[in-house]
Amino acid sequence: KAGVTQTPRYLIKTRGQQVTLSCSPISGHRSVSWYQQTPGQGLQFLFEYFSETQRNKGNFPGRFSGRQFSNSRSEMNVSTLELGDSALYLCASSRGGEKYNEQFFGPGTRLTVL
Amino acid sequence: AQSVTQLGSHVSVSEGALVLLRCNYSSSVPPYLFWYVQYPNQGLQLLLKYTTGATLVKGINGFEAEFKKSETSFHLTKPSAHMSDAAEYFCAVSDLGYSTLTFGKGTMLLVSP
Repeated sequence: KAGVTQTPRYLIKTRGQQVTLSCSPISGHRSVSWYQQTPGQGLQFLFEYFSETQRNKGNFPGRFSGRQFSNSRSEMNVSTLELGDSALYLCASSRGGEKYNEQFFGPGTRLTVL
Repeated sequence: AQSVTQLGSHVSVSEGALVLLRCNYSSSVPPYLFWYVQYPNQGLQLLLKYTTGATLVKGINGFEAEFKKSETSFHLTKPSAHMSDAAEYFCAVSDLGYSTLTFGKGTMLLVSP
């Protein structure tokens, strides 16, 4: 069974640009969560999508947005990039639902903002 | 609000020595607790989890953790460190097991020969 895939793996952008990151969950998983990992702030929850609906959102500015498609693939978008947006962005998928479902993480997309 | 505190950003042990990584949490409801490991340039891999039932939880690669409600702790241990255990370890908590995880800052485990 293929794991969670994220594309691209590495990305370099300049301040003010926007970027779109993609996540393909494990087959059959309907929930996709996004996390930002930085040396200073650690791992922080961005948002979660389940069946194309945003189910939960972390404390990030509106420049960070996401969506989920009918095949459960998810994208996140960051507009008007700032230097502080440089981070590893991790995607995790799970079956979803009301009870505990183990989350499986992808390898991440490393975004560098110059 | 949930929070996780991991004592020590770096822990150094010799190969064959006991590994002890500390994690304390705060949660308003009985939590689900997790330990993840991250190797360089990789995502997170689940080592073990506590949801309900037995408070001593065994995971992969010889790791185990004990949920102690009275101490609000979930420390990770391994009797004998191996060079391949060198990585960053994250403790995480989730209210009622929902998908949102709150992570600690992480502990880098260094293993010397």
